Amino acid sequence: DAGITQSPRHKVTETGTPVTLRCHQTENHRYMYWYRQDPGHGLRLIHYSYGVKDTDKGEVSDGYSVSRSKTEDFLLTLESATSSQTSVYFCAIRKDSLNEQYFGPGTRLTVT
Amino acid sequence: TQLLEQSPQFLSIQEGENLTVYCNSSSVFSSLQWYRQEPGEGPVLLVTVVTGGEVKKLKRLTFQFGDARKDSSLHITAAQPGDTGLYLCAGGSGGSNYKLTFGKGTLLTVNP
Repeated sequence: DAGITQSPRHKVTETGTPVTLRCHQTENHRYMYWYRQDPGHGLRLIHYSYGVKDTDKGEVSDGYSVSRSKTEDFLLTLESATSSQTSVYFCAIRKDSLNEQYFGPGTRLTVT
Repeated sequence: TQLLEQSPQFLSIQEGENLTVYCNSSSVFSSLQWYRQEPGEGPVLLVTVVTGGEVKKLKRLTFQFGDARKDSSLHITAAQPGDTGLYLCAGGSGGSNYKLTFGKGTLLTVNP
């Protein structure tokens, strides 16, 4: 158990509404990541953080923003949700220099 | 852009059979991880390999890292229904070793 929780676990929202997903860790790790998982595409990196207020884009960052004001929390925001952002979102932390990442349980987001 | 190709994409076998899943790339990775993911859950780390030619065993699972660190394989001996799941490989590179590149996964079904 890597001490990672995600909230909410499920959410249905309408196109055009803002949505914020939360990732919380209990072990004070520096690196945190947001991925989305879609059939046929696998896991794709949206944004990642390498410290408080330090974030960078991944390969599918358009339409998403992130914030990290505390070590333990990493927030993913969809400013104006679109149907193409219907997906399962996973948060992960990196524990050591071997690049091993540990994942949260995921959030299933449906945009109608 | 680094890519990891996994094969086969789908695999359905009977309990007791052996199988091998492959993960191939044209890029060199400093480390490679294998994860297993069950429906509705996040990926769970199985193993990390870092040395070319390295072989690691985890009960009935054998993981191998290619000599050139561009490919890897996962062999399962005497598969059981509990092995059913999505198997993902992920590579980390020295230049940007805080990010992982994921394969699209192999969906394994072991029938009783």
